[in-house]
Amino acid sequence: DSGVTQTPKHLITATGQRVTLRCSPRSGDLSVYWYQQSLDQGLQFLIQYYNGEERAKGNILERFSAQQFPDLHSELNLSSLELGDSALYFCASSPNRISSYEQYFGPGTRLTVT
Amino acid sequence: DQQVKQNSPSLSVQEGRISILNCDYTNSMFDYFLWYKKYPAEGPTFLISISSIKDKNEDGRFTVFLNKSAKHLSLHIVPSQPGDSAVYFCACGANNLFFGTGTRLTVIP
Repeated sequence: DSGVTQTPKHLITATGQRVTLRCSPRSGDLSVYWYQQSLDQGLQFLIQYYNGEERAKGNILERFSAQQFPDLHSELNLSSLELGDSALYFCASSPNRISSYEQYFGPGTRLTVT
Repeated sequence: DQQVKQNSPSLSVQEGRISILNCDYTNSMFDYFLWYKKYPAEGPTFLISISSIKDKNEDGRFTVFLNKSAKHLSLHIVPSQPGDSAVYFCACGANNLFFGTGTRLTVIP
């Protein structure tokens, strides 16, 4: 158990809909990262937050947004969903902003768009 | 454009033998390299890392080798055990981590 929790575990929704994925980092970790893993793909970095502020952006679509709240939990919002958004979404946390290297991953949320 | 590549999607090894997993990268700015292990229905877990100033790091049965001139790193597992069966991702970092597509290791008892 990494100490990172993600809800829900599974999500099935229709095209055009909007969903919110939630992540609680390890106790004391200030950085939260979101990744997408599509079928047979590696983990694609989406976005990083540090202590409530956006720190880095990766391959995140404009239809996707995220935020980190004062209690450090984070939410990833996916809107106008398309079939291709079906994937595993992982959240990870690390203690600080600079050392993003040893990240601790949650179990993931499996999103299926039908 | 995939900056980190794991060209072998799968590898099968007999228990007790050596497992060698390979990873190639293209970005010379990467200064930290990691291996993660992933079991089904779980998130990746950190296994071992190496910084660009070293060429080898060992932790028990796991050793990571870095060849900066070739932009290549490898993970050696000796001896391999059935519990090592998982998907292994290499990750390379500068400010953020870039992951490979993973290699599924199967250790045959």
